[in-house]
Amino acid sequence: AQSVTQPDIHITVSEGASLELRCNYSYGATPYLFWYVQSPGQGLQLLLKYFSGDTLVQGIKGFEAEFKRSQSSFNLRKPSVHWSDAAEYFCAVGAGQAGTALIFGKGTTLSVSS
Amino acid sequence: DGGITQSPKYLFRKEGQNVTLSCEQNLNHDAMYWYRQDPGQGLRLIYYSQIVNDFQKGDIAEGYSVSREKKESFPLTVTSAQKNPTAFYLCASKRARGANVLTFGAGSRLTVL
Repeated sequence: AQSVTQPDIHITVSEGASLELRCNYSYGATPYLFWYVQSPGQGLQLLLKYFSGDTLVQGIKGFEAEFKRSQSSFNLRKPSVHWSDAAEYFCAVGAGQAGTALIFGKGTTLSVSS
Repeated sequence: DGGITQSPKYLFRKEGQNVTLSCEQNLNHDAMYWYRQDPGQGLRLIYYSQIVNDFQKGDIAEGYSVSREKKESFPLTVTSAQKNPTAFYLCASKRARGANVLTFGAGSRLTVL
């Protein structure tokens, strides 16, 4: 079955510390992978995506993610977290065919402490 | 600026009533989607449509209905058959060709009283 697992429901990080959010997927075809961020009561904003090529992808707001096919993972990282990064983060996987729906993980809530 | 507009932002419904959530996009996207979000559950797909006058059920379509009479519009009706309709509803769209990236609206929060 196709699925996305985000093992950490809630993570707290000190401001200025590094961050890694985990994402594992199960997908029968070549996966297209995404990370989205959501502020409370808002829609989702795309942080970054992986379609092919370089397995380390850069996104907005200083985030990056690394695709590891052997581990079926697509972990999100940021070297130094800012208080404004506190939000909910969703990993998603989809097919290459346009029009098909994305499958989302259950999300990881990030809190930033001062 | 192009984007997706969802309305209303907040909606209250009495049990037994049908309600319709609006989703309009001016991105010239072909495909549109409705997701339901509950705390700790992530996003679950309700319905999606790849072209006008055609749509497919997602994972949790029971108790919901949609229409796609215009490319720009994809309204969602939450019927009285939906047993637990209180949730945050997100509409999204994307192009039929090229980058497979979803653009989301700001969401509608439905509360059943």
